[in-house]
Amino acid sequence: SYELTQPPSVSVSPGQTARITCSGDALPKRFAYWYRQKPGLAPVLVIYQDNERALGIPERFSGSSSGTTVTLTISGVQPEDEADYYCQSADSSGTYEVFGGGTKLTVL
Amino acid sequence: QIQLVQSGAEVKKPGASVKVSCETSGYTFTAYYIHWVRQAPGQGLEWMGWINPSSGATNYAQNFQGRVTMTRDASITTPYLELSRLTSDDTAVYYCARGRRWRETYYFDYWGQGTLVTVSS
Repeated sequence: SYELTQPPSVSVSPGQTARITCSGDALPKRFAYWYRQKPGLAPVLVIYQDNERALGIPERFSGSSSGTTVTLTISGVQPEDEADYYCQSADSSGTYEVFGGGTKLTVL
Repeated sequence: QIQLVQSGAEVKKPGASVKVSCETSGYTFTAYYIHWVRQAPGQGLEWMGWINPSSGATNYAQNFQGRVTMTRDASITTPYLELSRLTSDDTAVYYCARGRRWRETYYFDYWGQGTLVTVSS
């Protein structure tokens, strides 16, 4: 079955830039999406169609795509950005949706 | 405003079935597919499948085929998830989410609050 691969954890200090990657063979032909999830809450859409910010998401969040890897970048990380981040896309046939394993962002 | 409100927590014994509801409001129910996603304790998100609220057509993830049934009652704009032959591995928070489709990929712009299903003898 199709998989999306994320690093388990990323740590940055406040004000620094955090980059979270997501790799998958079908990403060159499938859009990717990013969600933020804080403890005890449902996920929230952050980035759609690789690089578009969802409503209400601060400008410091951005997305990019290159080949089989998509990247979520958070510039000038704030303490409130500490959360789990998940990428999501579809397999090469477009039949099944898949989530990455998630990345825990820690703001030191 | 758009809302997806799920039913309350459930405790089930191994081998039993569970049915979770997701009452929607604030948008045209038949215009957007509903997806179900689950999250085991301390684990990541797992996509389970979708239902087309207009036709009732479904598409299930391979991991759940034969054990999951997604239905809907359009008269009360409520989709349902039923999972049978439960084991302890099915202990998780189950989310419904509204799906939007762009170029053969769905994404999820509104989510329910989640329903905790605990499977324990």
